[in-house]
Amino acid sequence: AQSVTQLDSHVSVSEGTPVLLRCNYSSSYSPSLFWYVQHPNKGLQLLLKYTSAATLVKGINGFEAEFKKSETSFHLTKPSAHMSDAAEYFCVVSPTNFGNEKLTFGTGTRLTIIP
Amino acid sequence: GAVVSQHPSRVICKSGTSVKIECRSLDFQATTMFWYRQFPKQSLMLMATSNEGSKATYEQGVEKDKFLINHASLTLSTLTVTSAHPEDSSFYICSASHSYNEQFFGPGTRLTVL
Repeated sequence: AQSVTQLDSHVSVSEGTPVLLRCNYSSSYSPSLFWYVQHPNKGLQLLLKYTSAATLVKGINGFEAEFKKSETSFHLTKPSAHMSDAAEYFCVVSPTNFGNEKLTFGTGTRLTIIP
Repeated sequence: GAVVSQHPSRVICKSGTSVKIECRSLDFQATTMFWYRQFPKQSLMLMATSNEGSKATYEQGVEKDKFLINHASLTLSTLTVTSAHPEDSSFYICSASHSYNEQFFGPGTRLTVL
């Protein structure tokens, strides 16, 4: 069994300040972990993924996440927020790195950027 | 990355009618396709998994007779919402994958049932 908990439903930061979106996971396997971003009325775009290689994963648009097995966490960070980062972010877990496995989604974190 | 399209992007229909949504993998062969449903301000909920040439596997609580899924080829899966009712109004998203690859998501279809 696997589950994902996104600890904040809504995060607001000022433009130019750091972003931290928190995610904890539970899995019976050595999971793959993903962060997706969804802009309003749009599909999902993959930001980054962890598949048992380097624990610090760099993604697109300056985002990165660190896999911490001891803390069962996979928090998403960005050093400096931009207005275009305003969106919904989903932390996702998969039991393997094969694409035909079921994904389990977190409940999402809405990121608001204050000008 | 790989591209997945959905058609239509938005559909409005009357209660009692059926609506078909197409999901296509444009530049790769998708052995598996997934259908998700997303209510406003909520997360994605998996409805069903379909493998090319096989019957779809539905998640618990999803009515297979209401949500008909067909995966007739390696690039096309369809979701038909039969006898749609207002409570079926939602954002439907598909994803497609090859076995060793990640899932690629379509842009979604907004269904409104009047």
